[in-house]
Amino acid sequence: AQSVTQPDIHITVSEGASLELRCNYSYGATPYLFWYVQSPGQGLQLLLKYFSGDTLVQGIKGFEAEFKRSQSSFNLRKPSVHWSDAAEYFCAVGPAGSARQLTFGSGTQLTVLP
Amino acid sequence: DTGVSQNPRHKITKRGQNVTFRCDPISEHNRLYWYRQTLGQGPEFLTYFQNEAQLEKSRLLSDRFSAERPKGSFSTLEIQRTEQGDSAMYLCASSLTGTRVYEQYFGPGTRLTVT
Repeated sequence: AQSVTQPDIHITVSEGASLELRCNYSYGATPYLFWYVQSPGQGLQLLLKYFSGDTLVQGIKGFEAEFKRSQSSFNLRKPSVHWSDAAEYFCAVGPAGSARQLTFGSGTQLTVLP
Repeated sequence: DTGVSQNPRHKITKRGQNVTFRCDPISEHNRLYWYRQTLGQGPEFLTYFQNEAQLEKSRLLSDRFSAERPKGSFSTLEIQRTEQGDSAMYLCASSLTGTRVYEQYFGPGTRLTVT
């Protein structure tokens, strides 16, 4: 069965600092990988996705992620965090069976200090 | 593109009561998913529809849960005889098919509190 691990429950960074959120997955084949962000009262928003090809993918809001097959990782990065980036971030992997549903990690809560 | 909408946004009910939630997907999306999210966890898959057909249900979906998508547009999720363990955020997502099935767009969710 596939699974996603986000080792950091909560991360605090200062505004303007760089950010890296960790994601490790377990999957038998080449996975499809995603990062979503969830702000209070908002739905999950897709930040970026990896299907194949270039292992460094660019997303919205200045985020990027790098797929490292040897480490089974798909870490999310941003060079300079803005206060509006404070939210919960979820890594997800698919496909998860015939439904093609996503399997999510438990999330990382990001706090941004002024 | 008006996005995925869900109603109500919040529901408080007493144990044993029935509740129904509604999801309106993005209009051209023929796939619709229901997920459940409990505090401190990521969303967990419950069930999905392709057009009006419900094609798969998770083991998380007990017999007290039923979902419909009668005309392949909006969907409802009903929970009968609610229990305190049903308290969670219920998320709806929609997508196209093919490779774009993985680009799932989520609604804001319905937060259920069972007292």
